[in-house]
Amino acid sequence: GAGVSQTPSNKVTEKGKYVELRCDPISGHTALYWYRQSLGQGPEFLIYFQGTGAADDSGLPNDRFFAVRPEGSVSTLKIQRTERGDSAVYLCASSSTPDGKVTEAFFGQGTRLTVV
Amino acid sequence: SQQGEEDPQALSIQEGENATMNCSYKTSINNLQWYRQNSGRGLVHLILIRSNEREKHSGRLRVTLDTSKKSSSLLITASRAADTASYFCATAGAWGDSSYKLIFGSGTRLLVRP
Repeated sequence: GAGVSQTPSNKVTEKGKYVELRCDPISGHTALYWYRQSLGQGPEFLIYFQGTGAADDSGLPNDRFFAVRPEGSVSTLKIQRTERGDSAVYLCASSSTPDGKVTEAFFGQGTRLTVV
Repeated sequence: SQQGEEDPQALSIQEGENATMNCSYKTSINNLQWYRQNSGRGLVHLILIRSNEREKHSGRLRVTLDTSKKSSSLLITASRAADTASYFCATAGAWGDSSYKLIFGSGTRLLVRP
C-alpha cells in the first residue's frame, strides 16, 4: 500500500487479556516507531526499530509491552495482561533515516485500544 | 517525557484570521517538525525546519525557529474552517540516541469558526 497501515482500527478487550496490534510500514522505510496517545495528549514514544532490531525500547512502560519486527517490515506490538490504563490510541509511524537522523515520519491511522 | 510544549493549549479564531502556535523545547535539536491531527487519529506531517534554518514557508504555513530561545512558531495565514485540528511540534535530537526519534509536545487545539 501507499501508506502506513495499522490493524485493527479498534480493539476492545477485557482486563487481563493479551492483545496484538499490527503495523505495516511504507515499503523501503527502515525506521519504524510505535507511539501511544492518550486523550488530549501528544504522542508518547514507545519503541523504535531500525531494520529488524529494536534500537530503542526505552519508552515501553513495563515488561507487559513487547514489540517485534522479525523481517524488517511488518511490526507487532504485543501487550500482555492488559490493564484499563493501557486504553489509548496506539500509533505506528515509519521513516527513512538517511544519515541516522529522523526526518518526516509517516503515521498510520492508529489502533484505538479499549480495555474494559 | 515530552520534549516540546505548545502554547496555547487551545485557540479559537474566525475564518480568515491568522493562527499562531508556539512550541518550546529543552535540548539541542537536529530538526523540528510540525504535524496536524484530525479527530485523534493519524498525524500528517506539515513542515520540517532544520536547526540551521530560521524560517520556512509552505503554502499558507510559516514556521520560525529560534535555537537560542529553544522555541518555534507556526503561523497559519488566512485560516479556513478545514484547518480545525490539533497541531503538534516534534523534535529530533542533535546527536546520539535522540537523533533518530521524534519527541512530541502536548499540542494546540485549533478551532476555526466559519
